Amino acid sequence: QVQLVQSGAEVKKPGASVKVSCKTSGYTFTDYFIHWVRQAPGQGLEWMGWINPNNGGTSYAQKFQGRVTMTRDTSISTAYMELNRLTFDDTAVYYCARPDCSSTSCRNWFDPWGQGTLVTVSS
Amino acid sequence: DIVMTQSPDSLAVSLGEGATIYCKSSQSVLYTSNNKNYLAWYQQKPGQPPKLLIYWASIRASGVPDRFSGSGSGTDFTLTISSLQAEDVALYYCQQYYSSPYTFGQGTKLEIK
Repeated sequence: QVQLVQSGAEVKKPGASVKVSCKTSGYTFTDYFIHWVRQAPGQGLEWMGWINPNNGGTSYAQKFQGRVTMTRDTSISTAYMELNRLTFDDTAVYYCARPDCSSTSCRNWFDPWGQGTLVTVSS
Repeated sequence: DIVMTQSPDSLAVSLGEGATIYCKSSQSVLYTSNNKNYLAWYQQKPGQPPKLLIYWASIRASGVPDRFSGSGSGTDFTLTISSLQAEDVALYYCQQYYSSPYTFGQGTKLEIK
């Protein structure tokens, strides 16, 4: 079955960077984009951007432009999200999620999701 | 950006009764060329990731019980649970995938009365 398994929780200091991984299985990694969505404690869902594992192309929400980098390693079917210059407001659970894609396009509802990675920014 | 607004923020319903959650988008998410509404609904339980319930505004995802149904078009949408079960206690979110950035409603908390 399709699975997205994320790396473990992280604690970082303000100004540091964090890199979260999302290891996929059960499907051809390069056939589906990977999106990243975050959820601050007790808050709603915030879309961050996507990566096309086939060619490494990316698109980021304007809020995160210049601070986020999404990459992938096709040899191990894993996507990564790196967020720089962390602030306390970046404390959140970060999710990777897969849209519904055909050979020509994607419909950007998300199923399945990774289990989430808690990133805590604390001094 | 398309702003998604859900109502109510929280809802308490008796077991076996129906529940309705509303979602309004700041602009239409109906793509006229294919007559599809680019609107999804998710359920999120504590400590879990969101789970897809509905896409194209009214199509149930695989394995979703038929007591869940979605309706609406353009800017106004509803998620209806026909007969509330204890396991339906959760947060519910709508999401538009009409245009980037793909935005979510603020969530509706569904509880048992």
